[in-house]
Amino acid sequence: QSVLTQPPSVSAAPGQKVTISCSGSNSNIGNNFVSWYQQLPGTAPKLLIYDNDKRPSGIPDRFSGSKSGTSATLGITGLQTGDEADYYCGTWDSSLSGVFGGGTKLTVL
Amino acid sequence: QVQLVQSGAEVKKPGASVKVSCKASGYTFTSYGISWVRQAPGQGLEWMGWISAYNGNTNYAQKLQGRVTMTTDTSTSTAYMELRSLRSDDTAVYYCARDLVREFDYWGQGTLVTVSS
Repeated sequence: QSVLTQPPSVSAAPGQKVTISCSGSNSNIGNNFVSWYQQLPGTAPKLLIYDNDKRPSGIPDRFSGSKSGTSATLGITGLQTGDEADYYCGTWDSSLSGVFGGGTKLTVL
Repeated sequence: QVQLVQSGAEVKKPGASVKVSCKASGYTFTSYGISWVRQAPGQGLEWMGWISAYNGNTNYAQKLQGRVTMTTDTSTSTAYMELRSLRSDDTAVYYCARDLVREFDYWGQGTLVTVSS
């Protein structure tokens, strides 16, 4: 049982847009920054979004993040087959422990 | 370029201990912390704890308190994670990640630890 709640799966056609939600509480998302990670099959996670809505160098602007209250959202536009992966949200809780969502599997139909 | 290179796969019996290493390069090791994250087969990510490479301060996940120890060797820019009293549900891929306080920006390639009798 993960501390943050994500939908198990989402899907959309190539070229379309998809959003992935991440729900928490005041003890985690509500008072901390959120980051998002992409995990391609068989590889280590990769940082996609940090500080709620910032992209590291090299991450295309097709990926965006937002946060409101105790929830965060990852958006991906112009879907490509190479975007098929598991996506995780992460933040910290009031005891300075890291917490993650259960992950969302993105299928590009 | 920043790299975190982890030690190889391990097979351990229940009750044994495992020690995984994570060698950092491409940045000043003592300027950042290292977090350890594990992923059981087919499951999500679980944060295990954090160590400051500057002064060795640690913060462990409550469920692992007493079984996990994280250390660093600044002379070789290497972080270590030792997990004791292994159980079958400790079978997982273990990752080290450079910790920027609010996010993990670089990850090791992962080390598979299998616990089986």
